[in-house]
Amino acid sequence: KAGVTQTPRYLIKTRGQQVTLSCSPISGHRSVSWYQQTPGQGLQFLFEYFSETQRNKGNFPGRFSGRQFSNSRSEMNVSTLELGDSALYLCASGRGGELNEQFFGPGTRLTVL
Amino acid sequence: DQQVKQNSPSLSVQEGRISILNCDYTNSMFDYFLWYKKYPAEGPTFLISISSIKDKNEDGRFTVFLNKSAKHLSLHIVPSQPGDSAVYFCAAKDTNAGKSTFGDGTTLTVKP
Repeated sequence: KAGVTQTPRYLIKTRGQQVTLSCSPISGHRSVSWYQQTPGQGLQFLFEYFSETQRNKGNFPGRFSGRQFSNSRSEMNVSTLELGDSALYLCASGRGGELNEQFFGPGTRLTVL
Repeated sequence: DQQVKQNSPSLSVQEGRISILNCDYTNSMFDYFLWYKKYPAEGPTFLISISSIKDKNEDGRFTVFLNKSAKHLSLHIVPSQPGDSAVYFCAAKDTNAGKSTFGDGTTLTVKP
């Protein structure tokens, strides 16, 4: 069974630009969550999508948005990039049940110059 | 307000000895807890979980203990192996709310 895939793996952008990251979950998984990881900050929850609907949202500004398609693939968009947005962005898929663990992709390393 | 805290950023143990990683939480609504392991350049992988109705869950060399009154959980690895060297994240979940809250991680180094 293929794991969670994320594209691109690395990205360099400049301040003010926007970026779109993509995540393909494990086949059959309907839940996709996005996390931001920065040094010393652990994994900060961005949002979760389940069956094309945003089910949970973290405490990030509106510049961070996402969506999920009917095939469960998800995209995350960050507009008006700031230097502080430089981070590893992780996507995790799951079956969506309360007691199910999440399966993480390798992440997209975003650098904002 | 950080609801899940891993107060030790790093831990170093000798191969064959016990590794104990700790995690504290503040939200009494959390009722499901998970540990993930992360190697460099890879995403976290699920290790072990425990429901709040239990105080211990064991899976091979890995045991998670939960002390609800103290809002504290710990991960024991016995015996520790060099391949266990990784960053370990504790996560807590309010199953009614749905989302998982992660700690900052503890970097475990197991020396041969």
